[in-house]
Amino acid sequence: DTGVSQDPRHKITKRGQNVTFRCDPISEHNRLYWYRQTLGQGPEFLTYFQNEAQLEKSRLLSDRFSAERPKGSFSTLEIQRTEQGDSAMYLCASSQVREGEQFFGPGTRLTVL
Amino acid sequence: TQLLEQSPQFLSIQEGENLTVYCNSSSVFSSLQWYRQEPGEGPVLLVTVVTGGEVKKLKRLTFQFGDARKDSSLHITAAQPGDTGLYLCAARPRPSSIQGAQKLVFGQGTRLTINP
Repeated sequence: DTGVSQDPRHKITKRGQNVTFRCDPISEHNRLYWYRQTLGQGPEFLTYFQNEAQLEKSRLLSDRFSAERPKGSFSTLEIQRTEQGDSAMYLCASSQVREGEQFFGPGTRLTVL
Repeated sequence: TQLLEQSPQFLSIQEGENLTVYCNSSSVFSSLQWYRQEPGEGPVLLVTVVTGGEVKKLKRLTFQFGDARKDSSLHITAAQPGDTGLYLCAARPRPSSIQGAQKLVFGQGTRLTINP
């Protein structure tokens, strides 16, 4: 395994349902980031973990969103009571050192009907 | 307003032509990254520029960081259809706290299409 992996790659859900996405970072990277990208835009920062500690959250991360990294390895991003506006590509990235280069996974494309 | 403004937003040219895309800001950055993203995939890091005036080359791609570290350009020579994609610049804004130094801010991207 040489890169960041994300699962699932695609998720279609109905409005009001809960969804959970998983990210596995590069194994020696202790920093993990979640971003959201909507059509025609660049990625926007959601949240950041150093090991298991969630150190920064964007104002984009409403109370319906929660992210965890319980053992400092993989991370999950859960969206409760999904809305159509949540439809986007959810990207995970990891880095090895503070202000180090971030490497992205392939993303999870969420469609809320 | 965007912290990083990319131009043009869309560019469609013929194979073999040269092109330059730009990433501009009023802020000073310690470093700036360029990524390329293909449809349905995550961004792939191309280069990081750190020093004002720095020029880095990656085959037919030439990246330059402005002297004042506020802007950057990407020049592609003899573009190929395989260069097609969304080109994103990204940088870290000045943090409000030491723990806030980590996120990347992206421009909206330049969508490049190279026609055979």
